[in-house]
Amino acid sequence: AQSVTQLDSHVSVSEGTPVLLRCNYSSSYSPSLFWYVQHPNKGLQLLLKYTSAATLVKGINGFEAEFKKSETSFHLTKPSAHMSDAAEYFCVVREGNTGNQFYFGTGTSLTVIP
Amino acid sequence: DAGITQSPRHKVTETGTPVTLRCHQTENHRYMYWYRQDPGHGLRLIHYSYGVKDTDKGEVSDGYSVSRSKTEDFLLTLESATSSQTSVYFCAIGGQGLDYFTFGSGTRLTVV
Repeated sequence: AQSVTQLDSHVSVSEGTPVLLRCNYSSSYSPSLFWYVQHPNKGLQLLLKYTSAATLVKGINGFEAEFKKSETSFHLTKPSAHMSDAAEYFCVVREGNTGNQFYFGTGTSLTVIP
Repeated sequence: DAGITQSPRHKVTETGTPVTLRCHQTENHRYMYWYRQDPGHGLRLIHYSYGVKDTDKGEVSDGYSVSRSKTEDFLLTLESATSSQTSVYFCAIGGQGLDYFTFGSGTRLTVV
């Protein structure tokens, strides 16, 4: 069985400070992991993905995430927050590379304080 | 969002009435999905399709049906709308390799 837990429902950071959004997963097999971002009244946009290649994954807009199998984690980070980063972020897991169902975390709302 | 459109964008309907939401894609993807998004639940899969006339249930399929008569269109029907189906509905398409999703802009449905 697979599931994903986003450890924080809300995160607030000041502009220019680092961002850390936490995600833990459980999976019976080697998972594929994704982060999506949703700006207000918009659909979800892919930020980055891990599919069993390099464990440190770089995405768009300066975000990156590290797959840590021993900790079953896939935390999203960014060195310096911008106002435009304020959004909802979803961690997503898929079992292996061929599963056709994706499981979403409940989301983390990021607020950036000027 | 390029290549995938949902209609309508907003709808208010009465309890007990049938409602159909439409998802149209121009990307020729085999897989299409319907999700609902609710506070505290993230996105939950309602139904998905892996080809014309080929569909399967997701984790919250009760009260919903789908149809896919051609590659580009995936319809979601609420057979008899209830207030618990008030939600934002997202359609998504995935590549042949199921690498990642592209989402539509969503349909906000209110059942009164």
